[in-house]
Amino acid sequence: DADVTQTPRNRITKTGKRIMLECSQTKGHDRMYWYRQDPGLGLRLIYYSFDVKDINKGEISDGYSVSRQAQAKFSLSLESAIPNQTALYFCATSDYQAEQFFGPGTRLTVL
Amino acid sequence: AQSVTQLDSQVPVFEEAPVELRCNYSSSVSVYLFWYVQYPNQGLQLLLKYLSGSTLVESINGFEAEFNKSQTSFHLRKPSVHISDTAEYFCAVRISSNTGKLIFGQGTTLQVKP
Repeated sequence: DADVTQTPRNRITKTGKRIMLECSQTKGHDRMYWYRQDPGLGLRLIYYSFDVKDINKGEISDGYSVSRQAQAKFSLSLESAIPNQTALYFCATSDYQAEQFFGPGTRLTVL
Repeated sequence: AQSVTQLDSQVPVFEEAPVELRCNYSSSVSVYLFWYVQYPNQGLQLLLKYLSGSTLVESINGFEAEFNKSQTSFHLRKPSVHISDTAEYFCAVRISSNTGKLIFGQGTTLQVKP
């Protein structure tokens, strides 16, 4: 079984809809991250969490919110989706001073 | 602020030829460096990392990268590529005193042709 899972894997929605992307991990890591990937821009950090009570904004947090329901779960929400939020979204986890482990990604299309 | 620049967006190369994917970073403090690989329709996988010690690090599938502090570079090399190496490669940097945030480069698409 995968260490980091994301649901859904693909989602098509309409402008103005609320969307939640979910991430779960079995690695026992405290730190979790949400990124978006756009062609030619690499990965950009949206939000990150160092434990259940610690949530921090990344470089592109506008239009997004997150919830850390438990050590193993970190959800990303788009309160009112817009077309320029069409992207590939990745969840990642890490332990202190170690590399990050990535989920398989969620491809989101906002029409 | 820290940044990572991957100098080539696409690198086409014939099978069995050598390849170098370039990565430069800017930081005034010590860093950890990573190369990740993304195969088509998959997530990112760690290819290799530099944390400390020997400046030359190797992966299990023949890639290597050398940390050059004076040139602030961490170029990725392979002496002979295979078709299966076709993927997108991302260089990333993490401030060694930081608690885990990665800064990614824009990515380089390696296209291996038969």
